[in-house]
Amino acid sequence: ETGVTQTPRHLVMGMTNKKSLKCEQHLGHNAMYWYKQSAKKPLELMFVYNFKEQTENNSVPSRFSPECPNSSHLFLHLHTLQPEDSALYLCASSQVRAVFHEQFFGPGTRLTVL
Amino acid sequence: GQNIDQPTEMTATEGAIVQINCTYQTSGFNGLFWYQQHAGEAPTFLSYNVLDGLEEKGRFSSFLSRSKGYSYLLLKELQMKDSASYLCAVRLRDGLTGGGNKLTFGTGTQLKVEL
Repeated sequence: ETGVTQTPRHLVMGMTNKKSLKCEQHLGHNAMYWYKQSAKKPLELMFVYNFKEQTENNSVPSRFSPECPNSSHLFLHLHTLQPEDSALYLCASSQVRAVFHEQFFGPGTRLTVL
Repeated sequence: GQNIDQPTEMTATEGAIVQINCTYQTSGFNGLFWYQQHAGEAPTFLSYNVLDGLEEKGRFSSFLSRSKGYSYLLLKELQMKDSASYLCAVRLRDGLTGGGNKLTFGTGTQLKVEL
């Protein structure tokens, strides 16, 4: 248990569906992140939120829409996805300006787009 | 651009020592992390180096040479549970934007520990 939870753990959706991924951190952190992890590829940073404000959008297609209503919750809204979007989506949190500033990861949502 | 290289796979024997290397070419280096990720689980923090030298933490040690763009993770007294993917990640300097903790990851090294 890292203090970061993600739901659902597995998701299968069609290309015309709309779904949302949820992340919650119980660590009192002030920064949250979405990453995409595909087989044989590095973890790719998608979005960064600091103090609920989006500070990084790593050229992510608009079919992925993040939302951060407060510093403990982060959502990733999905619509009209493509099969190549199938991957493990990881959420992470950290404390900005902490000594190590390490990120704590959730277990991820395994997404399959049919 | 940012580039981080680490071997794709390694195999070692239980009780042995293994060294996983990571080389990087990045702009604005501000520290290097090692994470461990078991299949189907979250990556978990192992170590952080920002200055040159060796950091030791139990059976795990991590080394950094900033001038060479090189780090390694050393695992001693290997156990079967050490079979996992080991991720090298560079923290980029974000002084102007204050953009938090932007990390660039390598592809990970899949370590298999055998009897």
